[in-house]
Amino acid sequence: EVQLVESGGGLVEPGGSLRLSCAASGFTLSSSSMTWVRQAPGKGLEWVSAISSGSSYIYYGDSVKGRFTVSRDNAKSSLYLQMNSLRAEDTGIYYCARVTGQFGGDDYFDHWGQGTLVTVSS
Amino acid sequence: SYVVTQPPSVSVAPGQTARISCGGNNIGSKSVHWYQQKPGQAPVLVVYDDTDRPSGIPERFSGSNSGNTATLTISRVEAGDEADYYCQVWGTTSDRWVFGGGTKLTVL
Repeated sequence: EVQLVESGGGLVEPGGSLRLSCAASGFTLSSSSMTWVRQAPGKGLEWVSAISSGSSYIYYGDSVKGRFTVSRDNAKSSLYLQMNSLRAEDTGIYYCARVTGQFGGDDYFDHWGQGTLVTVSS
Repeated sequence: SYVVTQPPSVSVAPGQTARISCGGNNIGSKSVHWYQQKPGQAPVLVVYDDTDRPSGIPERFSGSNSGNTATLTISRVEAGDEADYYCQVWGTTSDRWVFGGGTKLTVL
């Protein structure tokens, strides 16, 4: 069974940093592209970042470009999101998800974790 | 960036058919995927590549895509189908994946 478990969320002041982790099991992480999606309180889904299986392709949404960094450690079956220069508008639940394919234009997210809450506030 | 538009809400009586639209410029040329999200839960994929269903998703869920509108159709709606539904497509070089704003399905 595919399982994705996020951790690392919490309360941080504006301008601070936080590192999220996503532990994967039930499938071979090294063969899968992965993504982060967030959801502000009471709002819709927003794609944040994606990384291909071998880390050759990395993409970010415009709202986080230059502040967030996605990485992965296939040996540890883990995905990460380093978030710097955090703003109040970064507050929300952050989900990791498995991406089908290798960014060919018709990819979708077939398994999601339960999410971790990030709150940016003073 | 590519924009997809969904109605904020759709209401339907139990046993009837719900149709949730997802509009975008020439969206018929893209692959559209649909997710269901119940309160306090993570999203779940219900339709992918316009019309296909993952294993475990009831046949009551179906999709179509043509022209400027994609549609998620839920037949014989049940109380348990009440949720937010999001469409998703491959966007542009600036935003690779784009979600619609979501549609809240209310079962009357």
